[in-house]
Amino acid sequence: EDQVTQSPEALRLQEGESSSLNCSYTVSGLRGLFWYRQDPGKGPEFLFTLYSAGEEKEKERLKATLTKKESFLHITAPKPEDSATYLCAVQDHYGGSQGNLIFGKGTKLSVKP
Amino acid sequence: GAVVSQHPSWVICKSGTSVKIECRSLDFQATTMFWYRQFPKQSLMLMATSNEGSKATYEQGVEKDKFLINHASLTLSTLTVTSAHPEDSSFYICSAREWGALNTEAFFGQGTRLTVV
Repeated sequence: EDQVTQSPEALRLQEGESSSLNCSYTVSGLRGLFWYRQDPGKGPEFLFTLYSAGEEKEKERLKATLTKKESFLHITAPKPEDSATYLCAVQDHYGGSQGNLIFGKGTKLSVKP
Repeated sequence: GAVVSQHPSWVICKSGTSVKIECRSLDFQATTMFWYRQFPKQSLMLMATSNEGSKATYEQGVEKDKFLINHASLTLSTLTVTSAHPEDSSFYICSAREWGALNTEAFFGQGTRLTVV
């Protein structure tokens, strides 16, 4: 059964204090790993897709990396506007409903000024 | 990125009534749309997969007679919560993937906060 586990559940940082969020996954065959940002009362906003181990992608202060078992979302010098819940999701080659994503519970990030 | 519009963003209804939520892909054709439900501090849980012109595929434990899904065109899917009860109160989110793009990101609507009183 596909599983996605995110840690920590919540993370509080001071502005400028870099850190990483973890996403561990178990799938039969990884088609893709996705990172989304979700603000309270809003739908998820797409950030990155990673397809194979060793792949990295960057966007402003965010950098996503992927290994065969986990993905990290690195946040460099975060700002208060980076506060949100970050969701990780995987898509399985063999299972799911026509490309369905399996989501983790998310990491709630709070950045204090 | 592609835009998915979900309407309404919030709705309050009386117990026993039905509520319809619309999900539209504004600038692309979506043969497949997904409907999720999210409880506070919980992950998005897939309810059903909607395919244009055919019956939706429901996940185990989701009542198909209660959550009616219609995907009448390549840009519109609707979720109707029938005979709503307070326990149906939740955040409902739709997502859509562009036609022929199974291994790319899905784009999400803004979500609908349903409160049944």
